[in-house]
Amino acid sequence: LAKTTQPISMDSYEGQEVNITCSHNNIATNDYITWYQQFPSQGPRFIIQGYKTKVTNEVASLFIPADRKSSTLSLPRVSLSDTAVYYCLVGDRGTGRRALTFGSGTRLQVQP
Amino acid sequence: DAGITQSPRYKITETGRQVTLMCHQTWSHSYMFWYRQDLGHGLRLIYYSAAADITDKGEVPDGYVVSRSKTENFPLTLESATRSQTSVYFCASKGRGATEAFFGQGTRLTVV
Repeated sequence: LAKTTQPISMDSYEGQEVNITCSHNNIATNDYITWYQQFPSQGPRFIIQGYKTKVTNEVASLFIPADRKSSTLSLPRVSLSDTAVYYCLVGDRGTGRRALTFGSGTRLQVQP
Repeated sequence: DAGITQSPRYKITETGRQVTLMCHQTWSHSYMFWYRQDLGHGLRLIYYSAAADITDKGEVPDGYVVSRSKTENFPLTLESATRSQTSVYFCASKGRGATEAFFGQGTRLTVV
């Protein structure tokens, strides 16, 4: 299984852009990179998924360099409601287990 | 209602008792998962299932039993509950080849 490494925690202020980087040196050719968000007392929620280059949706952007050994989740202009834990997952989208193995995540605290 | 639901939401049980946590999804997703999340930590995979009658162990399967006789249900049984199994349990489901997984609201289990 491709192991992921993320910062344990990050702090930001409202209105700032937040970038959370995930390292996945052993990513396999068939692996996708997926990010989930988890609020306290709730189950994780899907944010974004990508394979290479850049993916953007209404919530975030995901930047993946050519070697795919890392990825960066970018949250534009964060608000207090973005305070949550963010998980980076790497796995084959076609199979179950590898695609849903969670690491420790990054705890983002947004201050007013 | 469409979605994934867990029951009960809260459960207190005594050491040594058997307890079953229920998970039901209405999408006919192939994959289903059980996780535990201890206070302040990430999610750890207990068991997962790729289809009805197909289950496999995750990272922390000891002390747990699962079954999947129907696609929509994936119950998790603690055969003889221990205090170390006090945790929040999340169930998830994902379609084969799908981008995202959907999580239930969690079951907070306390073993006294």
